[in-house]
Amino acid sequence: AQKITQTQPGMFVQEKEAVTLDCTYDTSDQSYGLFWYKQPSSGEMIFLIYQGSYDEQNATEGRYSLNFQKARKSANLVISASQLGDSAMYFCAMREGRANYGQNFVFGPGTRLSVLP
Amino acid sequence: DADVTQTPRNRITKTGKRIMLECSQTKGHDRMYWYRQDPGLGLRLIYYSFDVKDINKGEISDGYSVSRQAQAKFSLSLESAIPNQTALYFCATSAGNLLGTQYFGPGTRLTVL
Repeated sequence: AQKITQTQPGMFVQEKEAVTLDCTYDTSDQSYGLFWYKQPSSGEMIFLIYQGSYDEQNATEGRYSLNFQKARKSANLVISASQLGDSAMYFCAMREGRANYGQNFVFGPGTRLSVLP
Repeated sequence: DADVTQTPRNRITKTGKRIMLECSQTKGHDRMYWYRQDPGLGLRLIYYSFDVKDINKGEISDGYSVSRQAQAKFSLSLESAIPNQTALYFCATSAGNLLGTQYFGPGTRLTVL
């Protein structure tokens, strides 16, 4: 079974608009972490944002926020005020278990975001 | 300078050849990883190492081997390359802290003919 599901292979958004990229996850662990990475066309993987399973507040990093709904097992990425440079592949990932005791890190298949001028 | 470096950045080789991909990091992290990326499949874990004496197989280790020469160096070998090992390979590192955020190198694009 897929541990990370990203149901949107591709998304389009108009410049300056907000966009939500979906991510659902599957784990039986109580302690886990959720991550979003950006991969521009140049290929590198850029860490964007992290949400811990025990964090009560949704994570935010500049224009990125993570809409964490634990009961639904979803961790959607919201990008506000999209910019042309946001066009990239976006990967949701999960770390199962406690990081300092070892970890299993899995990635979703990704969503390709295209920002239109 | 980049915190995580990979060499080579691009490599074309022939079926049956032995290939080594190298990764170095200056982040001071104990943990290092090798992933491969194929279109539509995201990243899949090949091997990971939590310290110099600790090597673990990931999801798709068959056909690969690794060596952790030092805390800062982790190399991936393809003993006898085959065409379906054509992919983008990433090295990553993480600290053994609460978050476990992984930081990636720039990737190595490998083509096996």
